[in-house]
Amino acid sequence: DVLMTQTPVSLPVSLGGQVSISCRSSQSLVHSDGNTYLHWYLQKPGQSPQLLIYRVSNRFSGVPDRFSGSGSGTDFTLKISRVEPEDLGVYYCLQSTHFPPTFGGGTKLELK
Amino acid sequence: EVQLVESGGGLVKPGSSLKLSCVASGFTFSSYGMHWIRQAPKKGLEWIALIYYDSSNKYYADSVKGRFTISRDNSKNTLYLEMNSLRSEDTAMYYCAKRTGYWYFDFWGPGTMVTVSS
Repeated sequence: DVLMTQTPVSLPVSLGGQVSISCRSSQSLVHSDGNTYLHWYLQKPGQSPQLLIYRVSNRFSGVPDRFSGSGSGTDFTLKISRVEPEDLGVYYCLQSTHFPPTFGGGTKLELK
Repeated sequence: EVQLVESGGGLVKPGSSLKLSCVASGFTFSSYGMHWIRQAPKKGLEWIALIYYDSSNKYYADSVKGRFTISRDNSKNTLYLEMNSLRSEDTAMYYCAKRTGYWYFDFWGPGTMVTVSS
């Protein structure tokens, strides 16, 4: 299975600040169809995960432009600018290029 | 509005069986593949099964293959997960999720908790 490694595990932030979360895969996530199936989810406390970014850099419906995704191959980043209280929770990356789909271990975004 | 609501979880003994359900609304259920994903307490997320929109294909994680069966009833807008030979390591919150794109998911239910313990 493709191993997804997220760093950091914990990320203290001040409201209004900017943060980056890294996600690295054990093999390239470029599919034979040319797409890269790397996605980002946020799990708020007590809730199920919600889709933020799909295929590296596409914001899902309703996701504010404070969230941006980038990267290629095996190295990906989620950036959050002007952090708001509703952004707190655990962020997961997911790869679905290779079977089975696998998640990163999560990055907990919390207040300083 | 897409809604997914899981049910059927509970406390069971090792070796027993349980069947989870996920009722969908707010979209054309019969047109979408559906996934089950689980999350052990204080742990990360694990994909466990996918069923195509027409039940023509089913896929499983190695950790549940041969013990779990995914199925659906499009006439009832319902997804199922039949779990047999349950083990303590199957203890988790089980989520159903709607497929979008290539093997990923856009909407998740709130989950149903399964606890396997003697």
